[in-house]
Amino acid sequence: GAGVSQSPSNKVTEKGKDVELRCDPISGHTALYWYRQSLGQGLEFLIYFQGNSAPDKSGLPSDRFSAERTGGSVSTLTIQRTQQEDSAVYLCANRVGAEAFFGQGTRLTVV
Amino acid sequence: GQQVMQIPQYQHVQEGEDFTTYCNSSTTLSNIQWYKQRPGGHPVFLIQLVKSGEVKKQKRLTFQFGEAKKNSSLHITATQTTDVGTYFCASIAYALNFGKGTSLLVTP
Repeated sequence: GAGVSQSPSNKVTEKGKDVELRCDPISGHTALYWYRQSLGQGLEFLIYFQGNSAPDKSGLPSDRFSAERTGGSVSTLTIQRTQQEDSAVYLCANRVGAEAFFGQGTRLTVV
Repeated sequence: GQQVMQIPQYQHVQEGEDFTTYCNSSTTLSNIQWYKQRPGGHPVFLIQLVKSGEVKKQKRLTFQFGEAKKNSSLHITATQTTDVGTYFCASIAYALNFGKGTSLLVTP
């Protein structure tokens, strides 16, 4: 595709439910990042995928968070048993050379 | 990782005034990138600096990388309302590590 696409753009879920966020990166570019951005805050690194290497999961805040990347392309970020503090915008970025291209993000609201 | 810190956190200027944001690291950075995020939008890449002492300009924006490669700055001359947003610096070591950003508000 022409850019990084994320879905859904908005998600409202009840506390305790699981959610799955999707990122469709730019075709053929293997470096993919997930970030979390709370209202008015900076970009919190969550996870990094690079090719066939083991992902860098050092930013995942708890074991309720997991991510996978199938076939080096689409990535999904799963949050289990959501909590209100999980409410944030979740951004996916794809690095093409030096430049990181961001998707529009998924705004997650846990009620 | 190559952690970066930004100051100030917020800046409010009158249109036409200049603005500068600073990015600092305790370790030598291999590179520094700058991104702009408009309100409600996603970060957009502005530039990358790699060389010690490098200076690059984009219209009213001037980017500098320190001689020791431990700091960087973004200077905007004669701000306009279109400059409103949050400016982030970032460094690629392994992951892409972002500073917390400087939010710029420009009032006409």
